[in-house]
Amino acid sequence: EIVLTQSPGTLSLSPGERATLSCRASENVGRYFLAWYQHKPGQAPRLLIYGASNRATDIPDRFSGRGTGTDFTLTISRLEPEDFAVYYCHHYGTSQDTFGQGTKVEIK
Amino acid sequence: EVQLVESGGGLVKPGGSLRLSCEASGFDFSSHRMTWVRQAPGKGLEWVSSLSLSSTTIHYADSVRGRFTISRDNARSSLYLQLNSLKVEDTAVYYCARVGSTRYCGGGSCFYYDYWGQGTVVTVSS
Repeated sequence: EIVLTQSPGTLSLSPGERATLSCRASENVGRYFLAWYQHKPGQAPRLLIYGASNRATDIPDRFSGRGTGTDFTLTISRLEPEDFAVYYCHHYGTSQDTFGQGTKVEIK
Repeated sequence: EVQLVESGGGLVKPGGSLRLSCEASGFDFSSHRMTWVRQAPGKGLEWVSSLSLSSTTIHYADSVRGRFTISRDNARSSLYLQLNSLKVEDTAVYYCARVGSTRYCGGGSCFYYDYWGQGTVVTVSS
């Protein structure tokens, strides 16, 4: 089973700052099956990035993803107030899917 | 507009059963794989189960295999999750999600969860 490890667990930043979130896979997952989601309390998770680097529909260009193999990064170039949330990476597997444990981006 | 609406959650005693439903609208349900994901209180997202278009391929997380059963009714545009032998640790918000795909995704086909429901709460407690 592939394990996704996200770091840091919590990121304390101010609006306007840059956020860099990491997701490391326990084995090579390529890039086509790696996605990122934003999740706020009481809401449905929201797809941000698929295929490691493709923005989903209506996602602002301040969100970007990169990586392949075992190391992936989600970057929020300039944090807006609505960006403070928990972010998860996700691997769509052949028989088992996996989520990272999440990174909370909180207001400093 | 794509919509996924879960129902069927509630309070149940350990060892009990529940059947969750997810009613889909706004897209061709029969053309999409579907999945269930849960979030226990204070925890992250956990994949539970997925099934293919015609239910021929089904996968479960180790934590629920043998106790939960996923199914779908394409005529009713509905996804189901039968929860049996429930444990306290099954307490969670259960989300259904649509599996999206992009065929030409920088050289290969990409798969992801592009639409999610609002979730239904399952509480297992004596």
